Amino acid sequence: SQTIHQWPATLVQPVGSPLSLECTVEGTSNPNLYWYRQAAGRGLQLLFYSVGIGQISSEVPQNLSASRPQDRQFILSSKKLLLSDSGFYLCAWSRFSGANVLTFGAGSRLTVL
Amino acid sequence: AQSVTQPDIHITVSEGASLELRCNYSYGATPYLFWYVQSPGQGLQLLLKYFSGDTLVQGIKGFEAEFKRSQSSFNLRKPSVHWSDAAEYFCAVGGNGGSQGNLIFGKGTKLSVKP
Repeated sequence: SQTIHQWPATLVQPVGSPLSLECTVEGTSNPNLYWYRQAAGRGLQLLFYSVGIGQISSEVPQNLSASRPQDRQFILSSKKLLLSDSGFYLCAWSRFSGANVLTFGAGSRLTVL
Repeated sequence: AQSVTQPDIHITVSEGASLELRCNYSYGATPYLFWYVQSPGQGLQLLLKYFSGDTLVQGIKGFEAEFKRSQSSFNLRKPSVHWSDAAEYFCAVGGNGGSQGNLIFGKGTKLSVKP
């Protein structure tokens, strides 16, 4: 069966510090991978998605970047965090073709102080 | 523009009462529709999905949803709510494959259950 892992689960970082959130998927190959951000009262905002290694699409301009160095690894990064980067970050995967049924990780809570 | 509207931000129901959570969508092509549930501090879990066929779909935990094309709605229902159903519920719409399959989520409805 397929599983998705995110870490760290909780992170408190000062403004201006770098960020790296990691997501890995097991039990499948060539998945579509996604990063969403969830802010209170604003639902889920799609940040990045990837349909293959090195292929990243950005949905919104922002202070964050994403990379996919391996087939089942998806990393969310920032060089300098802003207060507005605080939120709950969710990684998800879906099969490469067909309807995109997303399976989500447990999320990473980022607080920028 | 593609969008999902969940008009109710917060709903409170008594345990054992029936539940209906509303979802309206705007989508240019044939939609795939989803309901997800999120417990506090957790990821999202798929409750049910509609792709085609029977417009009444059954999901996990006793939930069901009905697709009404004429009303652009996909409301979630449960005949008898349990205290463990307290969570936030998200409706989503998407298409078929690749970037067209990226899901658009509503802002969620938080469900509270009174004993």
